[in-house]
Amino acid sequence: EAGVTQSPTHLIKTRGQQATLRCSPISGHTSVYWYQQALGLGLQFLLWYDEGEERNRGNFPPRFSGRQFPNYSSELNVNALELEDSALYLCASSRGPQPETQYFGPGTRLLVL
Amino acid sequence: AQSVTQLDSHVSVSEGTPVLLRCNYSSSYSPSLFWYVQHPNKGLQLLLKYTSAATLVKGINGFEAEFKKSETSFHLTKPSAHMSDAAEYFCVVSDIPGDMRFGAGTRLTVKP
Repeated sequence: EAGVTQSPTHLIKTRGQQATLRCSPISGHTSVYWYQQALGLGLQFLLWYDEGEERNRGNFPPRFSGRQFPNYSSELNVNALELEDSALYLCASSRGPQPETQYFGPGTRLLVL
Repeated sequence: AQSVTQLDSHVSVSEGTPVLLRCNYSSSYSPSLFWYVQHPNKGLQLLLKYTSAATLVKGINGFEAEFKKSETSFHLTKPSAHMSDAAEYFCVVSDIPGDMRFGAGTRLTVKP
């Protein structure tokens, strides 16, 4: 069974640009979660999608947004990039909402210059 | 509100000695609790989870954790450390669907 996949593995942008990160969940999983892992700030919950709907979002500004497609894959968009957005962005999937186990992808490392 | 505190930011042990990574949680409900491990430049891998069944939970690679409600703790242990156990470990609490709160992480170093 293929795991969670994310693309690209690395992304370099300049301040003010937009970044798009992609995630494909494990087959059969309907929930997708996005997390930001910034240096010194730990793992912060960003967004949760289930069955195509945004179910919850963490304490991040509206320029962080995303969507889930009918095939349950997901996209995270970050507009008006700031230097502090540089981080590892992790995607996870589960069969449904908690307490279902979340399985994580390898992440996309975003660098904002 | 749910939260989790990992009591040690860094733990160092010798190969073959026991490992103890401490985690305390706060939750208004009956939480689900998890331990994840992250090796350098890798995603997170689930070690084990507690969801109100047996209080002693066995995970992969010889790790186990005990849920103690009276102490609000969920410490991770392993009888004998291996060099490959060196990684960052995260304790996670969840009592609301879709909302997982991660601890700050504990970096485990294993000395030869």
